[in-house]
Amino acid sequence: EPEVTQTPSHQVTQMGQEVILRCVPISNHLYFYWYRQILGQKVEFLVSFYNNEISEKSEIFDDQFSVERPDGSNFTLKIRSTKLEDSAMYFCASTRYMNTEAFFGQGTRLTVV
Amino acid sequence: DQQVKQNSPSLSVQEGRISILNCDYTNSMFDYFLWYKKYPAEGPTFLISISSIKDKNEDGRFTVFLNKSAKHLSLHIVPSQPGDSAVYFCAASVDGAGSYQLTFGKGTKLSVIP
Repeated sequence: EPEVTQTPSHQVTQMGQEVILRCVPISNHLYFYWYRQILGQKVEFLVSFYNNEISEKSEIFDDQFSVERPDGSNFTLKIRSTKLEDSAMYFCASTRYMNTEAFFGQGTRLTVV
Repeated sequence: DQQVKQNSPSLSVQEGRISILNCDYTNSMFDYFLWYKKYPAEGPTFLISISSIKDKNEDGRFTVFLNKSAKHLSLHIVPSQPGDSAVYFCAASVDGAGSYQLTFGKGTKLSVIP
């Protein structure tokens, strides 16, 4: 069964450093997303991406965040200068069409120290 | 701003019995609802969805009921199995042009006791 894969599974970084979280969405999917879940809180939407551009983003997704689809398979989330409060599980997701069920990756646990 | 609320943080059910997980929402623009299951150290796994034009959708042991007037949906699992023990998230979206984002509830941890 096709699945969304994320690397790395766990990333520890120092405050102020840049991190890149990587995702390989399901190959025939057209819409890509990043969500995050801070420990003990709900899963929150960060950004959606379609046709090589951001289609929607939340208030969380400020100028420190960026997304890119550098080739036909990868979808990345970059945090330019990490803060302690960026520590969370980051989930990548993809959908074939709009308003269909999203398939999530297993997540990357980001720890900022 | 809790647009999707799951008021029960946890639920324990005996194996073989029915599990009922509840979800309320406040945004009347939501028109597509989903339930996800999540095991520790894994991403959410899609279970079942329902469009606002329906009031019930069934898939095997899982049934979702939607009451639009009450802005309430529920997930019924019958019969419950120990492997169903996980955190269940209710999610909702607004059908919009170009993309859609899911708004999640905080989750309900279901424990099915053998």
